[in-house]
Amino acid sequence: DIQMTQSPSSVSASVGDRVTITCRASQGISSYLAWYQQKPGKAPKLLIHGASSLHSGLPSRFSGSGSGTDFTLTISSLQPEDFASYYCQQANSFPLTFGGGTKVEFK
Amino acid sequence: EVQLLESGGGLVQPGGSLRLSCAASGFTFSSSGMTWVRQAPRKGLEWVSAISGTGASAYYADSVKGRFTISRDNSKSTVILQMNSLRAEDTAIYFCAKPYGSGWSPFDFWGQGTLVTVSS
Repeated sequence: DIQMTQSPSSVSASVGDRVTITCRASQGISSYLAWYQQKPGKAPKLLIHGASSLHSGLPSRFSGSGSGTDFTLTISSLQPEDFASYYCQQANSFPLTFGGGTKVEFK
Repeated sequence: EVQLLESGGGLVQPGGSLRLSCAASGFTFSSSGMTWVRQAPRKGLEWVSAISGTGASAYYADSVKGRFTISRDNSKSTVILQMNSLRAEDTAIYFCAKPYGSGWSPFDFWGQGTLVTVSS
């Protein structure tokens, strides 16, 4: 099974900050990597697919990069509505696996 | 508009069974694989099971293999998760999800989730 390791598990930030979250796969997954945002009591929301493709209708302050085993989600200028948890997910092979999550909290 | 609506959650004793349903609309259901993902209280996301559009292929997480069965009824646009031999660690919100595009994932539409509580 492919293990997905996310870091940090939490980050404290302010509005306007640049936030970077990393995700490492235990083996190469090419670009089969997605990022999700989840707010309390809600279902996850797809942000990025194919490691770097922004899902339709989403603001350009979200970006993804990486391939192989190391991936990054960047929020260029944190907005109030971005305080949430973020998860990576590998789409390379079954069993599909998620990272442990990163909670972006208000500093 | 794509909609996914889960039902069937509730309180069940350890060793018991529960059948979750996900009613889908707004897309060509029979052409889409479907997936169940769960989230234990205050924990992260865990992929549970997936089924192909025809129902011919199914995949399971090791944690549920042999206890859970995924199936679908394309005439009713419904995907089912039959859960047997339930354990306390199966307590979670169960989401059904539709993949983006023609692959198995990622997931661009999710239901609101249904809560399963396994406790005596």
